[in-house]
Amino acid sequence: SQTIHQWPATLVQPVGSPLSLECTVEGTSNPNLYWYRQAAGRGLQLLFYSVGIGQISSEVPQNLSASRPQDRQFILSSKKLLLSDSGFYLCACRHSYEQYFGPGTRLTVT
Amino acid sequence: SQELEQSPQSLIVQEGKNLTINCTSSKTLYGLYWYKQKYGEGLIFLMMLQKGGEEKSHEKITAKLDEKKQQSSLHITASQPSHAGIYLCGAALGFGNEKLTFGTGTRLTIIP
Repeated sequence: SQTIHQWPATLVQPVGSPLSLECTVEGTSNPNLYWYRQAAGRGLQLLFYSVGIGQISSEVPQNLSASRPQDRQFILSSKKLLLSDSGFYLCACRHSYEQYFGPGTRLTVT
Repeated sequence: SQELEQSPQSLIVQEGKNLTINCTSSKTLYGLYWYKQKYGEGLIFLMMLQKGGEEKSHEKITAKLDEKKQQSSLHITASQPSHAGIYLCGAALGFGNEKLTFGTGTRLTIIP
């Protein structure tokens, strides 16, 4: 099975500051990669997914963006964070119908 | 309304008892996934079902997908404190869909 790394594990950022969250995957090649956000008391919201290098699909219009510079690297970014961006961000990898999640990054925007 | 409904939203069960969590959709489920999440942690993959009528078991957890592929159940036998957490079902709601839609989860508490 795949191993998914996310960093940082926790992050506290002021409103208006930039953001960069990184996700890397081991143990598979050419996977589908996903960014989800889990806000307090709410379910998993799909933000972006990618089926290949440079291919990004956005699910929710917002001030976040994603990039996939390498096959097993997926980055979530923002130029200016909003308070509403706080939440638990999860990266997921899907290959051969099985989908695994990383340990997550807890983002608090103050 | 949610495309994937989970019930119950929360469940408190005495240790040693059996329990069932349900996941229902009005759409056909092309791949149904069950995950467990501890608070503040990532999702742990439990099982994935694809075929109507399919059933899988791992240790004391059994998952089933009905023949019509619109409902799945997760059954835990002789529950233990280690089973406590949030259980989430996720599914592809269209054939060949690369994206999973998730239910809002079931919070399971095991009391001694």
